[in-house]
Amino acid sequence: AQTVTQSQPEMSVQEAETVTLSCTYDTSENNYYLFWYKQPPSRQMILVIRQEAYKQQNATENRFSVNFQKAAKSFSLKISDSQLGDTAMYFCAFISMNYGGSQGNLIFGKGTKLSVKP
Amino acid sequence: NAGVTQTPKFRILKIGQSMTLQCAQDMNHNYMYWYRQDPGMGLKLIYYSVGAGITDKGEVPNGYNVSRSTTEDFPLRLELAAPSQTSVYFCASSFNTNTEAFFGQGTRLTVV
Repeated sequence: AQTVTQSQPEMSVQEAETVTLSCTYDTSENNYYLFWYKQPPSRQMILVIRQEAYKQQNATENRFSVNFQKAAKSFSLKISDSQLGDTAMYFCAFISMNYGGSQGNLIFGKGTKLSVKP
Repeated sequence: NAGVTQTPKFRILKIGQSMTLQCAQDMNHNYMYWYRQDPGMGLKLIYYSVGAGITDKGEVPNGYNVSRSTTEDFPLRLELAAPSQTSVYFCASSFNTNTEAFFGQGTRLTVV
């Protein structure tokens, strides 16, 4: 079974600085996707960024980028130039692409609460 | 475009009562999910479906049942509600496993 671990329950960063959120996962599969979702106080889940396991190049979306280390099963999120609106819970998620078995089983880590301070 | 619609938004149940949480999506998505989120915790997968007529258990299926008779709807049934089922429930859908999952607004359920 796959697992997703986020070892930092809470983090804080000063506005305009850079912060990195950690995520590790465990799987025996080779074909999968990884995601970072953001959940602000409104409770709405918002996709931040995604990474295909077969791509070595790290995904980037504006101020958000990932450091994907497949061999180490690590998938960290870097937020540059942090803004007050980045304050939220951040969840790392994994989904298998292999047909049959656990395909479609989208699982989440426990989350990291990020506070951006002015 | 409604996206993923969950009803109700709030509900208080007494121990032993039953209820169905409704979830509908209008994006023709194949994959649908039910999660529960306890305070300060991540999302735990209850059940998921990869298409109409196909459902499978997630991490915490006990005390719940689902059905997927149509592509659009994925109701979650709670039988014999217990205080341990007090949580916020999210329904989500995605077109495929490599595409973004869209979430409903959540249902806050309290069992007393």
